[in-house]
Amino acid sequence: ILNVEQSPQSLHVQEGDSTNFTCSFPSSNFYALHWYRWETAKSPEALFVMTLNGDEKKKGRISATLNTKEGYSYLYIKGSQPEDSATYLCASPSGAGSYQLTFGKGTKLSVIP
Amino acid sequence: DVKVTQSSRYLVKRTGEKVFLECVQDMDHENMFWYRQDPGLGLRLIYFSYDVKMKEKGDIPEGYSVSREKKERFSLILESASTNQTSMYLCASSSQGWNTIYFGEGSWLTVV
Repeated sequence: ILNVEQSPQSLHVQEGDSTNFTCSFPSSNFYALHWYRWETAKSPEALFVMTLNGDEKKKGRISATLNTKEGYSYLYIKGSQPEDSATYLCASPSGAGSYQLTFGKGTKLSVIP
Repeated sequence: DVKVTQSSRYLVKRTGEKVFLECVQDMDHENMFWYRQDPGLGLRLIYFSYDVKMKEKGDIPEGYSVSREKKERFSLILESASTNQTSMYLCASSSQGWNTIYFGEGSWLTVV
């Protein structure tokens, strides 16, 4: 089983603060890295799928970077809002030809108004 | 709008009962997945299917089986429910390759 780790486990920030968290994965045999946002009582929702080393993706105030050589991805949220409160999950395929994603345990973000 | 629909949102079943969790997607996706979510353990893959009648075990297949008779439908079966299968179950689908996964809203199962 692929080891995908996320830190921190949980995070509380004030509204307006910017924040970031980390996803770590084995740098060998890298194929893709997914980020999802999971709000309470809703379905997990895709944010980004990243495949290339050095890739940067942006969606509104949320952006992500990818370093496949050292095995990590950062998710950044600029000017956090209460609606950003959610659990953020990263995931990576378990192997070549495998459609099985291994998920990290997530970072739970709470934005305090 | 893409949609993955899990027909049962909340179920309470007795130990030993056979339980069916149904999932339908309307995106003509090849891949379908069943995950369970437990506190502190994250999302864990039970089974997935990459084509009709095809299935592959995930990380925790014990106590479960699946059925994919039609491309749009993927069923999770608990042959004899046990209390340790009390959990939240998520169905998902994706197109071929390592593409975005689309999730259903989840089914909360309590086994008493």
